[in-house]
Amino acid sequence: DAGVTQSPTHLIKTRGQQVTLRCSPKSGHDTVSWYQQALGQGPQFIFQYYEEEERQRGNFPDRFSGHQFPNYSSELNVNALLLGDSALYLCASSLVGSDIQYFGAGTRLSVL
Amino acid sequence: AQKVTQAQTEISVVEKEDVTLDCVYETRDTTYYLFWYKQPPSGELVFLIRRNSFDEQNEISGRYSWNFQKSTSSFNFTITASQVVDSAVYFCALSGASGGGADGLTFGKGTHLIIQP
Repeated sequence: DAGVTQSPTHLIKTRGQQVTLRCSPKSGHDTVSWYQQALGQGPQFIFQYYEEEERQRGNFPDRFSGHQFPNYSSELNVNALLLGDSALYLCASSLVGSDIQYFGAGTRLSVL
Repeated sequence: AQKVTQAQTEISVVEKEDVTLDCVYETRDTTYYLFWYKQPPSGELVFLIRRNSFDEQNEISGRYSWNFQKSTSSFNFTITASQVVDSAVYFCALSGASGGGADGLTFGKGTHLIIQP
């Protein structure tokens, strides 16, 4: 049973560029959440997708956007990258109504 | 607003010692959920336990045990007879009444646990 998979594992971008990160949920899961984890900090909730719609959003600017596809996979897009966007981006999946989120290994984004 | 505090930034113990990781939370919700996750160097957060606000029973799973005290808003985690493989960053997290669904999880800053052989 495949767990949550994320791609790519590492990414290097320059300021002002745009980036797309991808996530495939655990088999049978229909809800995907995205988190940003800065070095030495706990993950921070960005947003969650269910039924291809954004259900809830954390305190992140509109430069952060997402999408969920009919097969429940999801993308996180970040526009106009800033140095401060450098972080580990974690995707988590769950079943709607369940409290337990299962995480992928993340995408390490470096903005130069 | 919800908040999770893990005051211990780093703990270092020798193998086979017992160790307790502290977690204090703040929430205005009457129904909420508490979690512990483990993050090894690979980066993937591994789910350990979930507790709802109505269940104050302590739980034991092998060498792991959890003590939930609503009166002090604490949800502490104890590892008995620690092993080198327990070395990781441990996160305590909180979600609101709708569970980990709509609100997402609020994490503490984590405790880096180092088990020395």
